[in-house]
Amino acid sequence: EIVLTQSPGTLSLSPGERAILSCRASQSVITRYLAWYQQKPGQAPRLLIDGASSRATGIPDRFSGSGSGTDFTLTISRLEPEDFAVYYCQQYGRSPLAFGGGTKVEIK
Amino acid sequence: EVHLLESGGGLVQPGGSLRLSCAASGFSFANYAMSWVRQAPGGGLKWVSSIGGSGTATYYADSVKGRFTISRDNSKNTLYLQVNSLRAEDTALYYCAKHPYDTNRASFDYWGQGTLVTVSS
Repeated sequence: EIVLTQSPGTLSLSPGERAILSCRASQSVITRYLAWYQQKPGQAPRLLIDGASSRATGIPDRFSGSGSGTDFTLTISRLEPEDFAVYYCQQYGRSPLAFGGGTKVEIK
Repeated sequence: EVHLLESGGGLVQPGGSLRLSCAASGFSFANYAMSWVRQAPGGGLKWVSSIGGSGTATYYADSVKGRFTISRDNSKNTLYLQVNSLRAEDTALYYCAKHPYDTNRASFDYWGQGTLVTVSS
């Protein structure tokens, strides 16, 4: 079973700043089968990044994903007010499907 | 437009049962794998169960195996989750989620708004 560890737990930043979120896997993630989601309070998660680096439909290009093996990163180049939310990574290369514990990006 | 609408949640005593439903629209339902993902109050996301497009292949998290049963009715475009022998730790918002392909080895490209299951005496 792959365990995903996200860091930091909370990221306090100001609008316009860059956010760098980490997701580390306990085993190598097959073929970069890793996704990132955004969840705002009271809402369902929304797919941001698939296949480690491909933006989902309608996702702005300030969101980018990178990484392979056991280390993955979600970067938000310049935070907009609507980007303050919780972000989850998820691996789907091996069963069981697994999510990381989440990183909260809050306004500083 | 893809739309997923869950129902069937509620307050149930420990040991009780519920049947959760997810009505799907806006896509060819039978061509896609579907899953249930839950989120405990204030907690993170946890995968619960998946089913292939034909309904033949099913998968469960160890924590629910033997207690939960996933199924689908492609003629009604509806996904189900029968939840039995409920425990306090099953309390969560249960989301229905669609995969972009007919395999659960994939991301979740669309999510419903969830149905709340509360297990308490």
